[in-house]
Amino acid sequence: EAGVAQSPRYKIIEKRQSVAFWCNPISGHATLYWYQQILGQGPKLLIQFQNNGVVDDSQLPKDRFSAERLKGVDSTLKIQPAKLEDSAVYLCASSLPLRGLGSYNEQFFGPGTRLTVL
Amino acid sequence: SQQGEEDPQALSIQEGENATMNCSYKTSINNLQWYRQNSGRGLVHLILIRSNEREKHSGRLRVTLDTSKKSSSLLITASRAADTASYFCATVEAGGFKTIFGAGTRLFVKA
Repeated sequence: EAGVAQSPRYKIIEKRQSVAFWCNPISGHATLYWYQQILGQGPKLLIQFQNNGVVDDSQLPKDRFSAERLKGVDSTLKIQPAKLEDSAVYLCASSLPLRGLGSYNEQFFGPGTRLTVL
Repeated sequence: SQQGEEDPQALSIQEGENATMNCSYKTSINNLQWYRQNSGRGLVHLILIRSNEREKHSGRLRVTLDTSKKSSSLLITASRAADTASYFCATVEAGGFKTIFGAGTRLFVKA
């Protein structure tokens, strides 16, 4: 079974530039997650989709970050404009659909995109 | 804000020894999970323990959960060099959907 695919694997940009990350989840996984992992810290959830609807985006800096999941499959996360503090690894994960508040399904992670903002 | 906090932040042991990592969290949960992350890679799910369970085993892993203290521990027995990685606990609030990870414990197993 193919895993979660992400691209690019690495990206270096200057501050104030824009960048986009792409994620292709495991086939049949309705729930998709984007995490930001700063060096030395645990992943922080940015946004969570169930099919093409947003379940949680409470920690997404909406003034500069946006994400979409058209057709409920692939997803794109965009940063515009980037700041120095956005340097991190951006992880995409997917899981089977959640069935209610407090529920959980095992999340399968992609390899991540390492972003460096200069 | 991060909910799970791991202790210790880093741990270095000899191959064959046991490694114990602890996690604390702040709110009511339905379950708690442990993940492993090898350097430069994505996370891999290790084990899940539900709020009505006190202990769970999977191979060389033993997880305990104390909901009264809002804490969990992960024990890796007979460690191997391949166990060298960062270990994270993660929780989902009982009334929500959001997964919250702790800061992680960095384990180094010396051969």
